[in-house]
Order: sequence, then structure tokens, then C-alpha cells
Amino acid sequence: GQQLNQSPQSMFIQEGEDVSMNCTSSSIFNTWLWYKQDPGEGPVLLIALYKAGELTSNGRLTAQFGITRKDSFLNISASIPSDVGIYFCAGQYYSGGGADGLTFGKGTHLIIQP
Amino acid sequence: GAVVSQHPSWVICKSGTSVKIECRSLDFQATTMFWYRQFPKQSLMLMATSNEGSKATYEQGVEKDKFLINHASLTLSTLTVTSAHPEDSSFYICSARPSTSYGYTFGSGTRLTVV
Repeated sequence: GQQLNQSPQSMFIQEGEDVSMNCTSSSIFNTWLWYKQDPGEGPVLLIALYKAGELTSNGRLTAQFGITRKDSFLNISASIPSDVGIYFCAGQYYSGGGADGLTFGKGTHLIIQP
Repeated sequence: GAVVSQHPSWVICKSGTSVKIECRSLDFQATTMFWYRQFPKQSLMLMATSNEGSKATYEQGVEKDKFLINHASLTLSTLTVTSAHPEDSSFYICSARPSTSYGYTFGSGTRLTVV
């Protein structure tokens, strides 16, 4: 089945620093999504990417859908304490019968030191 | 908009009993909902696709007789964990997508502990 490789697994940064994480896939996706999950909660959608090459921003967050449709990155600028959490990339493939469920990366645990 | 409500948020049950988890789309209709399982410090793994008015489709390795899914209306899907065992203890999360969006909205999850 499809697998997503997400890196880094964890990041320890200082408040104010920029953050970058990425995902690569062994196969193509039609949609790339980035989610943030806080402990004991469901994931919350941050950015959705629909087209290869697309670059999208949401406040301090910027994400891109790779040209090959097999990769994506997420950047967070000027990190703040509330950015702490686990970030997941997710890919979606549209089969002939409709949209499939999401395939998730293993997550990037962001820890911010004041 | 696009709120998915999941209930209960946590449940503790005895081994051998069954537990039902509800997933509701509050402000939109969803012909398809998805159920995921997440073990501690791991990612979300798709278990099954819940289809309104028809049978659910299960991912490879997921026992359909153990994880019963019912999607009887356009706003409600239920997951019943039958004859639960301690290894079924996990965080179960549902999701759905409004027809006007590509992004999936997730419920807040259900923490199941089987003792």
C-alpha cells in the first residue's frame, strides 16, 4: 500500500525560529493535507493542497505540493509556544470509485524551548 | 462550519464486552465517513470507509466482524467494537468531508481502554 515518509520525527527549536518538515511518498496523490494534532484531540486541518506545484499559505504556515505529486513540505515561520504539537502530512488518492481515505505520515513532534 | 462530533470521548470497558462509538456530521451531510485508529505515539491508520446505505469497506487486516460499522443516515456513522480485548485499546477517530471542501474534518476522538 501507499506509504508516507515524514521527517523529521521530532524537532527541538527556540521560540521565534522557523520550522520546516516534509513528506515523501512512493506513489502519487491527488491531494496533500497538513494537520496538527494536540494530545487527546483529533487532527485539525492546517492547509490543503490540490494541484501539483501549488504553494499555499495560511498565516505563518506555508506548504507546497511537489511537482511530481509525491512530496510536500510545510514551513512555519517565527514559531510561537502554541505551535507545539504533532504535525501530520496526509495524502489522498481518488480511485475510480471516489475518494479514498487519507494515508498519514508518522508525524513530526514540534517542541519549542522558550 | 464542517463540524464532526464524536461520542463518547473516552470509555473504559471490560474484556469481552462491546462498545459503540458514534460519529456525527453536525452541519453537513456525509455519504462517506472514515474510521481511523491511533496507537500511542503513532500515526493514524485508516480502518474502514463507512458508506451511507451500504456496507462498509475495510482496510486489509481489519476484521469486519470485530469492528462493525453502520452508516444508517447521512449524518451518523457508528463503530462497534465487539468482544473487546485489551489489545483493542486505542484512540479511535472518525472523519468526514463536506461536498464543498476537499479537506477532511475529524472528530475529537474516542479513547477506548479495555480492562
